[in-house]
Amino acid sequence: SQTIHQWPATLVQPVGSPLSLECTVEGTSNPNLYWYRQAAGRGLQLLFYSVGIGQISSEVPQNLSASRPQDRQFILSSKKLLLSDSGFYLCAWRASGRSGYEQYFGPGTRLTVT
Amino acid sequence: EDQVTQSPEALRLQEGESSSLNCSYTVSGLRGLFWYRQDPGKGPEFLFTLYSAGEEKEKERLKATLTKKESFLHITAPKPEDSATYLCAVRWDSNYQLIWGAGTKLIIKP
Repeated sequence: SQTIHQWPATLVQPVGSPLSLECTVEGTSNPNLYWYRQAAGRGLQLLFYSVGIGQISSEVPQNLSASRPQDRQFILSSKKLLLSDSGFYLCAWRASGRSGYEQYFGPGTRLTVT
Repeated sequence: EDQVTQSPEALRLQEGESSSLNCSYTVSGLRGLFWYRQDPGKGPEFLFTLYSAGEEKEKERLKATLTKKESFLHITAPKPEDSATYLCAVRWDSNYQLIWGAGTKLIIKP
C-alpha cells in the first residue's frame, strides 16, 4: 500500500530564515505530487505540482520554490521566510496515468513564522 | 470564475440527528467531484469521487450524491466520531488541479 510522509510536523522559524519541508511517497512509482497551503477557514491553495523528476509547475507567485530531485521526493523551500508564509502545508500524491484523480494527503507541517 | 462553495460553514448536530452538507460548483466540464474528511491538525482523508449527475456513493453513515450543479453529503444518525471538517473539490476539463471549497465544520454532540 502507498504511504506519504512529511517532516517536520511542526516548525517555528523567524522572519528572514530559510525553509525546507520534505515529502516522500512509498509504494508507488512516478506519482503526480502537489504542495498545498491551508489557511484557517479557507480552502486548500495549490502552490506547486509535479508530474515527474525535475518538472515543477508553480500556481502562485511567491517567495517559495519546489524541487523534485527523486521520483518520490518533493521539497518545498524558501530562502527568506515572510510572516505571511505561516500556515499548514500539505503534500499530496496522485497516481499518474489514466486513473481516478483523487489525491492522497500527508499529515502536514504546521509552520509558524515569528 | 470557476468556484466551489460549501454550506453551511459550520453545523452542530445532536448525536443521531441526520442532516446534509452542500457543495455547489460553477465549473464547466466537470471531470470529478471529491469529498474529503479532515480532522484537526491532520491531512485530508479521501472519502468519495463522483463523476456524473445521479451518481451516489456510500460509506458507513455517509452518502454522497451529485447533480449538475451541486453535491450533497448526507450523514445519517451521526456519532461524535463523525465530527470533522468535510471538504469538497472539483476537477474540470483536463486539468491536473482541483478547485477546493472552504469546508464545513461538523460537530456532533453526544
